Amino acid sequence: NAGVTQTPKFQVLKTGQSMTLQCAQDMNHEYMSWYRQDPGMGLRLIHYSVGAGITDQGEVPNGYNVSRSTTEDFPLRLLSAAPSQTSVYFCASRTDSGVGEQYFGPGTRLTVT
Amino acid sequence: AQTVTQSQPEMSVQEAETVTLSCTYDTSESNYYLFWYKQPPSRQMILVIRQEAYKQQNATENRFSVNFQKAAKSFSLKISDSQLGDTAMYFCAFISPEYGNKLVFGAGTILRVKS
Repeated sequence: NAGVTQTPKFQVLKTGQSMTLQCAQDMNHEYMSWYRQDPGMGLRLIHYSVGAGITDQGEVPNGYNVSRSTTEDFPLRLLSAAPSQTSVYFCASRTDSGVGEQYFGPGTRLTVT
Repeated sequence: AQTVTQSQPEMSVQEAETVTLSCTYDTSESNYYLFWYKQPPSRQMILVIRQEAYKQQNATENRFSVNFQKAAKSFSLKISDSQLGDTAMYFCAFISPEYGNKLVFGAGTILRVKS
């Protein structure tokens, strides 16, 4: 049982480049989400999904796209990277109950130059 | 909107002593849950303790306990017998079914345990 996995662990992009951060979980969790962590701001919700085929915006969705074609995978796409997207990104999952423990991936440190 | 405030950006404590991290939150909901997460230098997010708002009894997990004051909307974390391994960033977080079960985090408190 690998839990929540994220790839890559580190990435450097140039402004305007695109990329996809991968996230997968093997716990059959319905709820998955993406957060970004910036100094002094805690973790902020980017997008989330309550099940395959269903996604919704969080607090800071601009510049990011998501899709949920399977229960296991929830990739995050940056269409045109900007320096303001330099951050650490966390994927998380939990059961649909809402108040169960949320399991986090190891994070991806993204730098946009 | 639901907000979570951690007013202590950094704290330090001597090994074996007790430290309390503060957290306040703002909500109009009556049904919600509060969490403390630990993020060590490895960056991994680890759930430390959870409190249901409808429970009056404060949650306890070994050396970690909370002081939940619902009327004051306060949720502090007490770490007893601090250990070097407790050095980490600590986040207070809030979730409410009425707010779509979205987890809202505070800005975090860096705790340094000194030997």
